[in-house]
Amino acid sequence: GESVGLHLPTLSVQEGDNSIINCAYSNSASDYFIWYKQESGKGPQFIIDIRSNMDKRQGQRVTVLLNKTVKHLSLQIAATQPGDSAVYFCAENRLGGYQKVTFGTGTKLQVIP
Amino acid sequence: GAVVSQHPSRVICKSGTSVKIECRSLDFQATTMFWYRQFPKKSLMLMATSNEGSKATYEQGVEKDKFLINHASLTLSTLTVTSAHPEDSSFYICSAYSGTGDGYTFGSGTRLTVV
Repeated sequence: GESVGLHLPTLSVQEGDNSIINCAYSNSASDYFIWYKQESGKGPQFIIDIRSNMDKRQGQRVTVLLNKTVKHLSLQIAATQPGDSAVYFCAENRLGGYQKVTFGTGTKLQVIP
Repeated sequence: GAVVSQHPSRVICKSGTSVKIECRSLDFQATTMFWYRQFPKKSLMLMATSNEGSKATYEQGVEKDKFLINHASLTLSTLTVTSAHPEDSSFYICSAYSGTGDGYTFGSGTRLTVV
């Protein structure tokens, strides 16, 4: 079936370095992608999103890149901080609201002080 | 911003009993809410879509008689785990479509332990 998955289960990064978390998706009908951050014992927190008509979107210290040709998206975190330590999920959705969000497998980001 | 409150945050129950989890949208109305289940170190798996005033839509493989969903108002959806067994132990998370940010606001989750 359709799925959204991640390449790396765990990523360790030195504090201050940039982090890159990758995600592959297989549903070519997806037109909306979201990155979430989940801290231990909490629900997912929205980080940034991107629509399929874009290939890059920037937020505060975060950038999402979308490559529709190879069905790949990435989350870049600049100047990674200890507070960025969490599990990051990519998710796919269809625009129009009220659509279910399908989550990828998740990557645990560990920031080394 | 939009806030979704989930209660209880933790619950321990005995096998064979039923447990109800509440999901409330505090400052917006949510005609659609979603229930997810998450195993340790795993991703969120959608269980069902809860629609206000109508029956929930369950994902394939989810027992609707086991996981009862009621969405009786625009601000409240409940998930009842009936006749709970240890294998039902998990982290349950709800979300609601709020229309802000990415449109989806998540609750803080409920850790269910069945003993």
